[in-house]
Amino acid sequence: EPEVTQTPSHQVTQMGQEVILRCVPISNHLYFYWYRQILGQKVEFLVSFYNNEISEKSEIFDDQFSVERPDGSNFTLKIRSTKLEDSAMYFCASSLTRSYNEQFFGPGTRLTVL
Amino acid sequence: TQLLKQSPQFLSIQEGENLTVYCNSSSVFSSLQWYRQEPGEGPVLLVTVVTGGEVKKLKRLTFQFGDARKDSSLHITAAQPGDTGLYLCAGAGGATNKLIFGTGTLLAVQP
Repeated sequence: EPEVTQTPSHQVTQMGQEVILRCVPISNHLYFYWYRQILGQKVEFLVSFYNNEISEKSEIFDDQFSVERPDGSNFTLKIRSTKLEDSAMYFCASSLTRSYNEQFFGPGTRLTVL
Repeated sequence: TQLLKQSPQFLSIQEGENLTVYCNSSSVFSSLQWYRQEPGEGPVLLVTVVTGGEVKKLKRLTFQFGDARKDSSLHITAAQPGDTGLYLCAGAGGATNKLIFGTGTLLAVQP
């Protein structure tokens, strides 16, 4: 069964460093999303991406964040200068259509900023 | 701001009991999804409901979308220890149908 994959599973970084989180969405899906979940809190929307551009972003997704689909399979989230409060699980999701919107999530990357 | 409140927050029951989890909002959603999440893992999609009043069944799980598409419920019949986990509802809204997640219900089924 097709699934969303994410790498790495765990990333530890120093405050101020850049990190890139990688995702491979389900191959025929067209809509891509990043969410994050701070320990003990709700899953929060960060950004959605369609047709090689950002469709919608939340207030959390400030200038330190960027997304890219560098080729036909990968979807990346870059945090330019990490802060302690960026420590969270980051989930990538994809869906085939916008209207029915069944979003399938990857296993997540646990980001720890020291 | 769209918010989804789930109740109860925690539920501990014995194997074989029935239970219902509620997901409520004052906002209308175009669709609503239920996920189950294990610790340290991503949410796993259980079901999507789209039409007001829709009922979907997945083995011992029954999902209902409210007539006004503002609320939903998940009913589990004869709960098993394998049903233990965090159940999340998520409503789709906004320009790209981003998901707004509920507060979660942590279910523990004791053998």
